[in-house]
Amino acid sequence: DIQMTQSPSSLSASMGDRVTITCRASQSISTYLNWYQQKPGKAPKLLIYAASSLQRGVPSRFSGSGSGTDFILTISSLQPEDFATYYCQQTHNTVWTFGPGTKVEVK
Amino acid sequence: QVQLQESGPGLVKPSQTLSLTCNVSGGSISRSGYYWTWIRQYPGRGLECVGYINYNGIPYYNPSLKSRATISVDRSKNQFSLKLSPVTAADTAVYYCVFGSGTSAGLDAWGQGTTVIVSS
Repeated sequence: DIQMTQSPSSLSASMGDRVTITCRASQSISTYLNWYQQKPGKAPKLLIYAASSLQRGVPSRFSGSGSGTDFILTISSLQPEDFATYYCQQTHNTVWTFGPGTKVEVK
Repeated sequence: QVQLQESGPGLVKPSQTLSLTCNVSGGSISRSGYYWTWIRQYPGRGLECVGYINYNGIPYYNPSLKSRATISVDRSKNQFSLKLSPVTAADTAVYYCVFGSGTSAGLDAWGQGTTVIVSS
């Protein structure tokens, strides 16, 4: 299986901050990398697919970059509704795997 | 817009069979290119892909489940299902049925999730 890691596991930030979350794959996954946001008690929501494509309806302050093994999710200006847990996921091979998540908390 | 809704028992005894069904609306389960997926989330945080069935009806399972899972499609009812047997306490989780429009497109529609507890 392809192992996914994320850093940091949690972070504290203030509204308006620029936030970056890193995701690393244990082997090259090209751009088969997706990002999700999850709020407590809710299902995950797709933000970014194919490493850098913004899902329809997702605010443009979210962006993704990277290819191969290293990927970044950026929130350009943190809004109150962005405090949540973020997961990366690879779909490069037939066993899809998720990162352990990064929790974005209020500073 | 595809919408999904899980149904099934919330409590299953150890060694028995977990059976969940996902009702699909807003799209045909037979449509080419689609992936019908089961994801589970353990208490705490971790997300795990249980498996999925593609538009050709070919299922893929997480090897960690050691052949305990079966995913199937009922085209007449526009539903897909998960069976997991035998279950242990380690299968206690929130189970989501999820739709993806292709391996490069992400999982863009999720059911609300159903909690399954394995306990005697």
